[in-house]
Amino acid sequence: AQSVTQLDSQVPVFEEAPVELRCNYSSSVSVYLFWYVQYPNQGLQLLLKYLSGSTLVKGINGFEAEFNKSQTSFHLRKPSVHISDTAEYFCAVRDSSYKLIFGSGTRLLVRP
Amino acid sequence: GAGVSQTPSNKVTEKGKYVELRCDPISGHTALYWYRQSLGQGPEFLIYFQGTGAADDSGLPNDRFFAVRPEGSVSTLKIQRTERGDSAVYLCASSLRSSMLNEQYFGPGTRLTVT
Repeated sequence: AQSVTQLDSQVPVFEEAPVELRCNYSSSVSVYLFWYVQYPNQGLQLLLKYLSGSTLVKGINGFEAEFNKSQTSFHLRKPSVHISDTAEYFCAVRDSSYKLIFGSGTRLLVRP
Repeated sequence: GAGVSQTPSNKVTEKGKYVELRCDPISGHTALYWYRQSLGQGPEFLIYFQGTGAADDSGLPNDRFFAVRPEGSVSTLKIQRTERGDSAVYLCASSLRSSMLNEQYFGPGTRLTVT
């Protein structure tokens, strides 16, 4: 069965600094990878997804992620964060079934 | 347009009671999913509907949990004889079709607290 690991439960960072949120998944023949963001008291919102093609994926709000098959990773990055980026971020994988399998989440805390 | 809506937003119930949680998917979306998010965890899959039928209910934890989607639109998640361990946020999502390429759009969730 597929699994997703987000090793960092919380990442504190100062405003305008770069950030990387780590995600590793268990290996499979083919996977589809996603990053979702969850703001307080709101539903999950899709940031970006990797289905095929270019390994560098650009999403909304200036976020991007790189699919690395050899390292089974899909780390999320942003070159300069804002206070408004403070939220919970979830990495997810989808294999041959239709369900999403989520990691435990990383709380990004942006400080002024 | 309207997104996925869920009611109630919060539900407090006593141990042993029966609860129903409702999900209104985006109009025209044929696929509907239920997930459960416990405190400090990521969402976990419960059940998936394609149209009116449950295509995959492998995530339902036990037979106290049941979900229906009688007309292929609104879905209700039903929990019998609730236990304190059922306390969580229950998320609903819908997608245009069950294709691997279609994005799942999530509702805000129902926070269930069993006392």
